[in-house]
Amino acid sequence: SQTIHQWPATLVQPVGSPLSLECTVEGTSNPNLYWYRQAAGRGLQLLFYSVGIGQISSEVPQNLSASRPQDRQFILSSKKLLLSDSGFYLCAWSLTGTGGTEAFFGQGTRLTVV
Amino acid sequence: RKEVEQDPGPFNVPEGATVAFNCTYSNSASQSFFWYRQDCRKEPKLLMSVYSSGNEDGRFTAQLNRASQYISLLIRDSKLSDSATYLCVVNRVTGGGNKLTFGTGTQLKVEL
Repeated sequence: SQTIHQWPATLVQPVGSPLSLECTVEGTSNPNLYWYRQAAGRGLQLLFYSVGIGQISSEVPQNLSASRPQDRQFILSSKKLLLSDSGFYLCAWSLTGTGGTEAFFGQGTRLTVV
Repeated sequence: RKEVEQDPGPFNVPEGATVAFNCTYSNSASQSFFWYRQDCRKEPKLLMSVYSSGNEDGRFTAQLNRASQYISLLIRDSKLSDSATYLCVVNRVTGGGNKLTFGTGTQLKVEL
């Protein structure tokens, strides 16, 4: 069966520090991968999605970047965190195909920038 | 206009009530649709897919109206455990792959 791992679960970082969140998927090949952010009391905002190694689509201009160095690894990064980067970051995967597939989420990383 | 729009609620209902949530989407090229449930401070989890013919899973019924670009979720005989945020999700295939867009969610509180 497929599983998705995301870490760390919680993170407190000072303003201006770098960020690296990692997500890995097991039990499937060539998944679509996603990074979402949820601010406190708000909906999920799609940040990045990827259909393959090195292929990243960015949804909104921001202080973040994403990379997919391996088929089942998705990394979210920032060189210098802002207070507004605080939120609940969720990695997800779905099967590739004609759009009939749901997404499965990791347990999320709660980031607080102080 | 947002790609997916939902009434944020909250909906406060007594146990045993029937409650309906609505969702509209703006892109007619959207291909598949889902309802997710999110408990406080947890990741979203799939509740059910939504098909044009409508589908039912126990107390939950989902409907899709492609002509009106409208999706609904009906919960019958509400339980306390149904309290959560319900997210409408629309999937569209783009040049970059499957793009899953979430609504902001509708909060449900079921009370004694």
